[in-house]
Amino acid sequence: QKEVEQDPGPLSVPEGAIVSLNCTYSNSAFQYFMWYRQYSRKGPELLMYTYSSGNKEDGRFTAQVDKSSKYISLFIRDSQPSDSATYLCAMSVPRGATNKLIFGTGTLLAVQP
Amino acid sequence: DADVTQTPRNRITKTGKRIMLECSQTKGHDRMYWYRQDPGLGLRLIYYSFDVKDINKGEISDGYSVSRQAQAKFSLSLESAIPNQTALYFCATSEDGTGYGYTFGSGTRLTVV
Repeated sequence: QKEVEQDPGPLSVPEGAIVSLNCTYSNSAFQYFMWYRQYSRKGPELLMYTYSSGNKEDGRFTAQVDKSSKYISLFIRDSQPSDSATYLCAMSVPRGATNKLIFGTGTLLAVQP
Repeated sequence: DADVTQTPRNRITKTGKRIMLECSQTKGHDRMYWYRQDPGLGLRLIYYSFDVKDINKGEISDGYSVSRQAQAKFSLSLESAIPNQTALYFCATSEDGTGYGYTFGSGTRLTVV
């Protein structure tokens, strides 16, 4: 079983829709929970991160962590064609002097104009 | 200029050839990483370095070697390339070991024929 599971999609939605992206995990020791966005032919860029259970909002984006269910979500409101990208969840767990970062496989999102 | 620059952007090489991928960063961070990205497998850590004198193997280091020439430069070598090393390679840097806030380069698409 993978430590982090993410539906690869693709997910296609019309412009203006609310998008929900999700990951599940198995390791209860994960401390930081992140979402990275990766445009085609580009490297991942950090979108949001959270340290604990609950919600964190940044503009049209909301990250949600439910540690009891080992489930994280990213919601995108009023989705735009420019949101079309691959979204990677990532989680980190302490490993000695640093944290081990585990990435999901990514969900490909297409927002249709 | 980009914070993390990778060269080359694309490379096709033959089986058995030695190839070097280069990475330089202007973030001033001590920590640098090499990842490879494969469809369905996500990002996997090859090597990481905490400073010029500290090099560590990641989860898939076999067949690869690295060199940290300076704080800003971290190179990845494939001593004898094989077709299953065909992948997208990313260099990244981070300020600390918490696992969030990684800055990635735009990647090198390597094809081994």
